[in-house]
Amino acid sequence: GAVVSQHPSRVICKSGTSVKIECRSLDFQATTMFWYRQFPKQSLMLMATSNEGSKATYEQGVEKDKFLINHASLTLSTLTVTSAHPEDSSFYICSARALHRSSYNEQFFGPGTRLTVL
Amino acid sequence: QKEVEQNSGPLSVPEGAIASLNCTYSDRGSQSFFWYRQYSGKSPELIMFIYSNGDKEDGRFTAQLNKASQYVSLLIRDSQPSDSATYLCAVRSTDKLIFGTGTRLQVFP
Repeated sequence: GAVVSQHPSRVICKSGTSVKIECRSLDFQATTMFWYRQFPKQSLMLMATSNEGSKATYEQGVEKDKFLINHASLTLSTLTVTSAHPEDSSFYICSARALHRSSYNEQFFGPGTRLTVL
Repeated sequence: QKEVEQNSGPLSVPEGAIASLNCTYSDRGSQSFFWYRQYSGKSPELIMFIYSNGDKEDGRFTAQLNKASQYVSLLIRDSQPSDSATYLCAVRSTDKLIFGTGTRLQVFP
């Protein structure tokens, strides 16, 4: 159990376009989803925390108007990179925390989305 | 700034040896600690979590926590080439996980 999917797994787009990434919890309900970004040879950096039915909380330095997050249901959160530029090329990973789990804030990670902006 | 520090490595060990991975953290109020394994191009997968001082064992893996020293480690016994990956230490700070930069482990036959 506790499977999280992401779609697409890989996307290449032109500079200036917008890209939407979906994160789904397949077999559990997630009140909270997290979006991370990972540049090559660096660690995961939390971008934002998304709670179902409310506005996302963005980390310092992350532009909320550029990285739009929607968490419309307990199983789906989306991240839209608006007007993408080459510096936005990265590995985007979501994670989900289950509604009724007591394993000390365990998060289940999706497989990630590799974004390349030309 | 709450930080999690790891040696980037690579840590090279022969097959069958014990690999020891270390992590220090700055937030003394942290309560739970996680070790993730990440293969190149993949997302992290949880190996273990620990929240009490002392050792916690799961198969070939042992996590060790010393809150007074703000130190957490992961031991991998009988290391296998398939264990070669980057190991990320993560510390729960309020509602978030703060990740270290990871230690790259190489297990050679």
